[in-house]
Amino acid sequence: DADVTQTPRNRITKTGKRIMLECSQTKGHDRMYWYRQDPGLGLRLIYYSFDVKDINKGEISDGYSVSRQAQAKFSLSLESAIPNQTALYFCATATGTDYSNQPQHFGDGTRLSIL
Amino acid sequence: RKEVEQDPGPFNVPEGATVAFNCTYSNSASQSFFWYRQDCRKEPKLLMSVYSSGNEDGRFTAQLNRASQYISLLIRDSKLSDSATYLCVVPRRNYGQNFVFGPGTRLSVLP
Repeated sequence: DADVTQTPRNRITKTGKRIMLECSQTKGHDRMYWYRQDPGLGLRLIYYSFDVKDINKGEISDGYSVSRQAQAKFSLSLESAIPNQTALYFCATATGTDYSNQPQHFGDGTRLSIL
Repeated sequence: RKEVEQDPGPFNVPEGATVAFNCTYSNSASQSFFWYRQDCRKEPKLLMSVYSSGNEDGRFTAQLNRASQYISLLIRDSKLSDSATYLCVVPRRNYGQNFVFGPGTRLSVLP
């Protein structure tokens, strides 16, 4: 089984719908992240969380919200989806002992299309 | 200067060739760096970590030049399976303990 699991893997929906993307991990990592990736662009950070009680905005948080339900679960919501939120979304995790030394580990991604 | 910049691609090289990518960064306080590879529409996967002057793992060598603020990735004896996009990752300046991913350099190894 994958260490970082994202659901769903693919989703097609309509403008204005509320969508939730879920991420769960079995790595025991404290830190979890949500990114989006658009063709020709690098990964952009949406939100991140260093523990259950810690939520932080990334560089492109507008239009998104998150919930850290447990150490192992971090969900991303689009309250009212719009077409320019069509992208590939990745969840990632990392240990929190020393930020300068720990790489991030990614889930398989969710392909989201908003019509 | 952007937080991280990478060589523009694509790099098209024959099998067996040696190829090098560079990545420059602006945060002079950065302590740790990473190279990831990403296959088309797949998740990024950690290739190498770079904590001091460099690191070597088989055909792959990463070097760090703090004075000039760049890291490089050298791939020797290129294989067809090395075809991918290579992402440089450096610590981010203004978002606490986080990293910024470069736009990537695409490599195609040709038979």
